[in-house]
Amino acid sequence: DGGITQSPKYLFRKEGQNVTLSCEQNLNHDAMYWYRQDPGQGLRLIYYSQIVNDFQKGDIAEGYSVSREKKESFPLTVTSAQKNPTAFYLCASIGSRGRGTYNEQFFGPGTRLTVL
Amino acid sequence: SQQGEEDPQALSIQEGENATMNCSYKTSINNLQWYRQNSGRGLVHLILIRSNEREKHSGRLRVTLDTSKKSSSLLITASRAADTASYFCATVFNSGNTPLVFGKGTRLSVIA
Repeated sequence: DGGITQSPKYLFRKEGQNVTLSCEQNLNHDAMYWYRQDPGQGLRLIYYSQIVNDFQKGDIAEGYSVSREKKESFPLTVTSAQKNPTAFYLCASIGSRGRGTYNEQFFGPGTRLTVL
Repeated sequence: SQQGEEDPQALSIQEGENATMNCSYKTSINNLQWYRQNSGRGLVHLILIRSNEREKHSGRLRVTLDTSKKSSSLLITASRAADTASYFCATVFNSGNTPLVFGKGTRLSVIA
């Protein structure tokens, strides 16, 4: 049963704490992405990784950090430097099918983070 | 930065009617995709249309692309209550694993 899993589904954090959101995929996809979604809004890109041990900042990377030590895993850490972290976080991946033949993103179910 | 902008922001129709959503974008693209999101869930890919295509069908979905106007439309025919969701367009600038750029979405409500 292939797919992308995110955990936990709901996460509560006190101000000043760092938290790490998990994203795992067994689709053998090379590229993985983290998005943030606020109520009634679209998706904004936080970080993405096209291969293991490499990642790039997206539009709103400040206050977040990532790692890509394994192809299957792309955890996102929300640090205390992120001023307004309450949001819905979505992880996605894309398989490599050759240049110009692809791009469909597969999404996980999301993690809703609330700062208390 | 968000490139795609969907219109309308919200749409409410009766079951059986057709629903049309539009997306405008700013720069040249490799392809444009439409996704659906049920409340509190992840996004699901619906359809992809490449820059050299003008129209594409998938079941009750019909997507058009007008690159001269930098716009796309998604038509859902014979809508059902289960079609109630938010719909997003996403643009891709070039091939490869470059990130998609999503719009803010259209919230569709289909009333039984």
